[in-house]
Amino acid sequence: EIVMTQSPATLSVSPGERTTLSCRASQTISDKLAWYQQRPGQAPSLLIYDASTRATGVPARFSGSWSATEFTLTINSLQSEDFALYFCQQYYKGPPWTLGQGTKVEI
Amino acid sequence: EVQLLESGGGLVQPGGSLRLSCAVSGLPFSTYALSWVRQAPGKGLEWVSSISGGAESTNYADSVKGRFTISRSNSKYSLYLQMNNLRVEDTAVYHCAATPRPNIDTDVVFDYWGQGTLVTVSS
Repeated sequence: EIVMTQSPATLSVSPGERTTLSCRASQTISDKLAWYQQRPGQAPSLLIYDASTRATGVPARFSGSWSATEFTLTINSLQSEDFALYFCQQYYKGPPWTLGQGTKVEI
Repeated sequence: EVQLLESGGGLVQPGGSLRLSCAVSGLPFSTYALSWVRQAPGKGLEWVSSISGGAESTNYADSVKGRFTISRSNSKYSLYLQMNNLRVEDTAVYHCAATPRPNIDTDVVFDYWGQGTLVTVSS
């Protein structure tokens, strides 16, 4: 089973700032990584797939990058609606399709 | 607009059973694989089970194998999860999720999600 490790667990950021979230895979997963956003009380939504491709309708301030087994989600100029939980998921090898424990971005 | 609406959650005693449903609209149902993903209170997301577009293939997390059964009705645009022999550790919000490809052996990305239904297993 591929283990996905996210860090940090919580990020405290001010509106308008830039922030980066990390996700590490326990083995190579190529670019088969997705990022999801979950606002409080809402369903998760797909942000990024194939490590760096934004899903339909996702603002350009969200970007994804990767190197080897390290993946990064960058949010530029944080807006109020961006304060949420973020999860990464690998779909390189499964089942199981494994997800990280999440990073909470808070004000 | 794509909508996934779960129902059927509730309070059940350990060893009991529940059947969850997910009504899907706004997408070509039989061309989408469907999954259940759960989220225990204060925890991360855990994939539970997936079923292919034509229902010919299913797979399960080890933690639920032999106790849970996933199924779908392509005529009713619905997904189901029969949960038997429930354990306290099954307590979670259960989300249904849709993947824009019919097979489940690769590239299972969850493009659409429902808000979830809460299952509480407690005596």
